[in-house]
Amino acid sequence: ETGVTQTPRHLVMGMTNKKSLKCEQHLGHNAMYWYKQSAKKPLELMFVYSLEERVENNSVPSRFSPECPNSSHLFLHLHTLQPEDSALYLCASSQGLAGGPPTDTQYFGPGTRLTVL
Amino acid sequence: GQNIDQPTEMTATEGAIVQINCTYQTSGFNGLFWYQQHAGEAPTFLSYNVLDGLEEKGRFSSFLSRSKGYSYLLLKELQMKDSASYLCALMDSNYQLIWGAGTKLIIKP
Repeated sequence: ETGVTQTPRHLVMGMTNKKSLKCEQHLGHNAMYWYKQSAKKPLELMFVYSLEERVENNSVPSRFSPECPNSSHLFLHLHTLQPEDSALYLCASSQGLAGGPPTDTQYFGPGTRLTVL
Repeated sequence: GQNIDQPTEMTATEGAIVQINCTYQTSGFNGLFWYQQHAGEAPTFLSYNVLDGLEEKGRFSSFLSRSKGYSYLLLKELQMKDSASYLCALMDSNYQLIWGAGTKLIIKP
């Protein structure tokens, strides 16, 4: 595997379900990101991790819970979602700077298309 | 505050040239990115400008004017595979990427 991979690619869930999205980067990067992409809207940054520490949480509802067990893996745990949470969820990574803000080019995974019924 | 504007959709002919504009307002600036995103696929990096001027990379070029809050992506010798959305994003003073909504480019034969 190369680049940034995400699983599953498609997910349909009910509002009472609990599911997790997985992201893995094979680029040796230090920073990882979760974005939400809704139709015809700008990418919305949800979370940023730098060296496994969360450095950004953009007022995301608590029904989204990120986890970064190491610099190569990032999870997004989902529970009691709403239909308006249906979107494409993109993971990205960047080289980042050890101990500093991630300022460089981000490389994206193919995304998980989430549908909440 | 911060704001990014780019056209929602553009149409061009195969073999022609197209310019996709992006204007922005921001209090802090650490560079501007262009990404390409084919339908159902990941955004892929095209270019990064932090200084004024034109950066050329094959058929694609990107221009930046910081004083005018303006950038454009120029695509030459258009091919059908260039049909995609083109996303403009600026890196603000907090090193966060602020994204435009994207320009859907339709290439006609």
